[in-house]
Amino acid sequence: DAGVIQSPRHEVTEMGQEVTLRCKPISGHDYLFWYRQTMMRGLELLIYFNNNVPIDDSGMPEDRFSAKMPNASFSTLKIQPSEPRDSAVYFCASSHGTSGYSYEQYFGPGTRLTVT
Amino acid sequence: AQSVTQPDIHITVSEGASLELRCNYSYGATPYLFWYVQSPGQGLQLLLKYFSGDTLVQGIKGFEAEFKRSQSSFNLRKPSVHWSDAAEYFCAVSYSGGGADGLTFGKGTHLIIQP
Repeated sequence: DAGVIQSPRHEVTEMGQEVTLRCKPISGHDYLFWYRQTMMRGLELLIYFNNNVPIDDSGMPEDRFSAKMPNASFSTLKIQPSEPRDSAVYFCASSHGTSGYSYEQYFGPGTRLTVT
Repeated sequence: AQSVTQPDIHITVSEGASLELRCNYSYGATPYLFWYVQSPGQGLQLLLKYFSGDTLVQGIKGFEAEFKRSQSSFNLRKPSVHWSDAAEYFCAVSYSGGGADGLTFGKGTHLIIQP
């Protein structure tokens, strides 16, 4: 398997623009997580899905952020409008959440977002 | 709410020397504990995890960690570090084992290896 795939790897955009980050989880995994990494706050969970359904979005910072998972092989994280404080590395991770598996979360390489 | 503290922001170790990275957690029930490593520009890779049973767990790349409930700690150790071990190390905790809920991470420890 190719692992968790994220695109783009780098994104530079201007304040006020819409940004869409994409994630393809490992085939067969039923959980998908979005994390954000910043120097100030470290790694934070934003939202996670089980079988394409959002389970906990309490980490989403504000209404400018939205996430979807239209099918088992694709998820998006959208920021509209973007602000400079959204600059961070965004990670997607996937896992088997079912007993009998290792429960390990496999992380993608991340998308480095810079908002100017 | 669960939380993780990694008290050392940076640690410098000579190549070939032993290593211990500290991790303390705050959690009201039996924790599921993890150590991840992040190389520059890369995602996170799981080194090892503790769910139950033997409190000394072995991981990849020669790392091990010991769970001490009385001290709420899960320190990572390696007997002899290599230059390739230079990276950022994160301790994490979850309610359910990490597969079925999100991880709470510490702020990380940056490991520098001196030749």
